[in-house]
Amino acid sequence: SQTIHQWPATLVQPVGSPLSLECTVEGTSNPNLYWYRQAAGRGLQLLFYSVGIGQISSEVPQNLSASRPQDRQFILSSKKLLLSDSGFYLCAWSRLADAYEQYFGPGTRLTVT
Amino acid sequence: AQSVSQHNHHVILSEAASLELGCNYSYGGTVNLFWYVQYPGQHLQLLLKYFSGDPLVKGIKGFEAEFIKSKFSFNLRKPSVQWSDTAEYFCAVSHYNQGGKLIFGQGTELSVKP
Repeated sequence: SQTIHQWPATLVQPVGSPLSLECTVEGTSNPNLYWYRQAAGRGLQLLFYSVGIGQISSEVPQNLSASRPQDRQFILSSKKLLLSDSGFYLCAWSRLADAYEQYFGPGTRLTVT
Repeated sequence: AQSVSQHNHHVILSEAASLELGCNYSYGGTVNLFWYVQYPGQHLQLLLKYFSGDPLVKGIKGFEAEFIKSKFSFNLRKPSVQWSDTAEYFCAVSHYNQGGKLIFGQGTELSVKP
């Protein structure tokens, strides 16, 4: 069966520090991969999605970037965090043939102080 | 731009009460519609989905949703809720040819009192 991992589970970082969140998927190949953010009191906002290694689409202009160095690895990064980057970050995957049904990871709670 | 609105931020019900959670979207084209659920301590998971055909779709655990195109709505219903239905519910929309790009609503927290 397929599983999705995210780490760390929680993170507290000062403003201006770098960020790296990692997501890995097991038990499938060539998945679509997604990064979402949920800010307090708001729904999930799609940040990035990827249909293959090195193929990243950004949905909103922001302080963050994403990379996909391996087929089942998706990384969310920032060179300098802002207070507004605080939130709950979710990684998800879907099959190429059924991109609408997405399977979510446990998420990372990021607090920027 | 597409958007999804969920009217209720927090709903509190007693067991056996009926449930209806509202969801409206703003997009005039062909859409696919979803309800996702997150139970306490668990990952977000798909509850039900509508692509085409019968506008009344049934999902897991006795949930159903009705797509009313003229009202741009996709409300979630359950005739009799249980304490185990306590969770956060998210409505989501995707344009039919935009792959997996889901637009989520703000979420509705449902608390069911035993």
